[in-house]
Amino acid sequence: DSGVTQTPKHLITATGQRVTLRCSPRSGDLSVYWYQQSLDQGLQFLIQYYNGEERAKGNILERFSAQQFPDLHSELNLSSLELGDSALYFCASSPPSRGAINEQFFGPGTRLTVL
Amino acid sequence: EDQVTQSPEALRLQEGESSSLNCSYTVSGLRGLFWYRQDPGKGPEFLFTLYSAGEEKEKERLKATLTKKESFLHITAPKPEDSATYLCAVRTGNQFYFGTGTSLTVIP
Repeated sequence: DSGVTQTPKHLITATGQRVTLRCSPRSGDLSVYWYQQSLDQGLQFLIQYYNGEERAKGNILERFSAQQFPDLHSELNLSSLELGDSALYFCASSPPSRGAINEQFFGPGTRLTVL
Repeated sequence: EDQVTQSPEALRLQEGESSSLNCSYTVSGLRGLFWYRQDPGKGPEFLFTLYSAGEEKEKERLKATLTKKESFLHITAPKPEDSATYLCAVRTGNQFYFGTGTSLTVIP
């Protein structure tokens, strides 16, 4: 158990809908990362937040957005869902860097199925 | 274009048969290379971080090495519980790029 929690574990919805995925980082970690893992593309970095502020953006679609709240939990919002958005969505957290590039601790993931 | 390539895609080993997994990368400004292990249906589990060419890290039966163009994950005398997908990732700037992994099966 990495200490990172994600809810829900599974989510089934229809095309055009909007969903919210939630992540709680490990105690003391300030950074939260979101990734999408699909069978054909592997892990794709979406976005990083550090202590409530957006720090880096990867291949995140405009239909997707995220935020990190004062208690450091994060939410990933996916809207106008398409069949191709079906994937595993992982959240990861890492401790304050203090100059080093720290490892990331991954949660168990949310499996999203769009029908 | 920044890219991470892992080989082989799949590897079957007999228990005790040592081997190496490869991760080659073409990125500008490497800030760290990471190895993760992922079991089916679970999140990746951190193994190692390497920062500069020549660096080596070791943990139990695993040893990771780094050159300017690639990294190797050496598995010595593997056991069935080492069966998993091994992922390599690089950080460049504030971006992270993952390879598609090597699926390792260790047969008793």
